[in-house]
Amino acid sequence: DGGITQSPKYLFRKEGQNVTLSCEQNLNHDAMYWYRQDPGQGLRLIYYSQIVNDFQKGDIAEGYSVSREKKESFPLTVTSAQKNPTAFYLCAASSRGQGNYEQYFGPGTRLTVT
Amino acid sequence: QKEVEQNSGPLSVPEGAIASLNCTYSDRGSQSFFWYRQYSGKSPELIMFIYSNGDKEDGRFTAQLNKASQYVSLLIRDSQPSDSATYLCAVPNQGGKLIFGQGTELSVKP
Repeated sequence: DGGITQSPKYLFRKEGQNVTLSCEQNLNHDAMYWYRQDPGQGLRLIYYSQIVNDFQKGDIAEGYSVSREKKESFPLTVTSAQKNPTAFYLCAASSRGQGNYEQYFGPGTRLTVT
Repeated sequence: QKEVEQNSGPLSVPEGAIASLNCTYSDRGSQSFFWYRQYSGKSPELIMFIYSNGDKEDGRFTAQLNKASQYVSLLIRDSQPSDSATYLCAVPNQGGKLIFGQGTELSVKP
């Protein structure tokens, strides 16, 4: 059963705590992405990685960090420096090199920080 | 900076009607275009992509691309209440990234 998994589905944290969101894919796709979506808003790119051990900042990277030690995994850490961390976080994967760039999304993690 | 524009809606159509969703883009060099459907509280799902001028049909969905006018449309024939969702248009950017529009909310009334 191929796909992208994100865990947990819902996450609650106290302000000032770091939290790590999991994203795993078994599609054998090279590229992976993290987006943030706020109510009624579009998708904003946080970080992306085109290959293992390499990643780049997206449009709103401040207060977030990532790692890409394995092709299958791209965890996102929301640090205490992120001012408004409550949002819906989406992970996506894409097969590079084919010129198509379509991205496939995981089910998302809804983070609430109080 | 590339831009992708969509009317936020909501667009309301009666069941059985044709829903027409539009997207304009700023980069004349864009080659491919994607439509995603996002149900409330769920993640986006890729439903159509189009690379060539003209129409591409897949079941009740038709994507129309007009590169000269820089717009891409998604038509949904015989709209069903289950089609009620937000539809996102996306255009590739450098580095394999996608630029998403804000999305159009579609409501199909029984």
